Amino acid sequence: NAGVTQTPKFRILKIGQSMTLQCTQDMNHNYMYWYRQDPGMGLKLIYYSVGAGITDKGEVPNGYNVSRSTTEDFPLRLELAAPSQTSVYFCASNKEGASTEAFFGQGTRLTVV
Amino acid sequence: GEDVEQSLFLSVREGDSSVINCTYTDSSSTYLYWYKQEPGAGLQLLTYIFSNMDMKQDQRLTVLLNKKDKHLSLRIADTQTGDSAIYFCARGANNLFFGTGTRLTVIP
Repeated sequence: NAGVTQTPKFRILKIGQSMTLQCTQDMNHNYMYWYRQDPGMGLKLIYYSVGAGITDKGEVPNGYNVSRSTTEDFPLRLELAAPSQTSVYFCASNKEGASTEAFFGQGTRLTVV
Repeated sequence: GEDVEQSLFLSVREGDSSVINCTYTDSSSTYLYWYKQEPGAGLQLLTYIFSNMDMKQDQRLTVLLNKKDKHLSLRIADTQTGDSAIYFCARGANNLFFGTGTRLTVIP
């Protein structure tokens, strides 16, 4: 099993550009999450999904969008990149929410210049 | 303030015990977790404890939960250089809420 796979690993964007961070999992997990990690700030939840077709905002959703058309995939979209979105982004999944172990991808380091 | 708080840094000598502390404000969580993050990697679950437990031991790891004070700790016995990493406390309700992470440095 590949687990949770994120692409790309690194990306530099110019202000105002858009991009999609890809996340896929092969564990048939219902729950998927996107976090951003800033130094000294821990992980902040951006969006999450409890199943295909269902998405909800987390703590810091502004400037991002998500979709969940399949169980496997949970892409994160940045429409107008801003320097404040420079961060490391982690996708995670688990079977039934917070009562089960969450598996994390390797992360995407995004720099907006 | 932050819901889950940790101190940012901890240094210990190899062979000593490490104690990483965490406090939280929301007592509705069913589970509390410790995750480890090595450089350039994602987070990996180390251990977890149910909110109705006081202690859990797993080899070199001991988790203590003080529900009254909303305080969680992770003790690593006989700390090794390979334990150097960032350790995150997290509480689980509908989602996982993470602390700021504690960077543990083990000095040979």
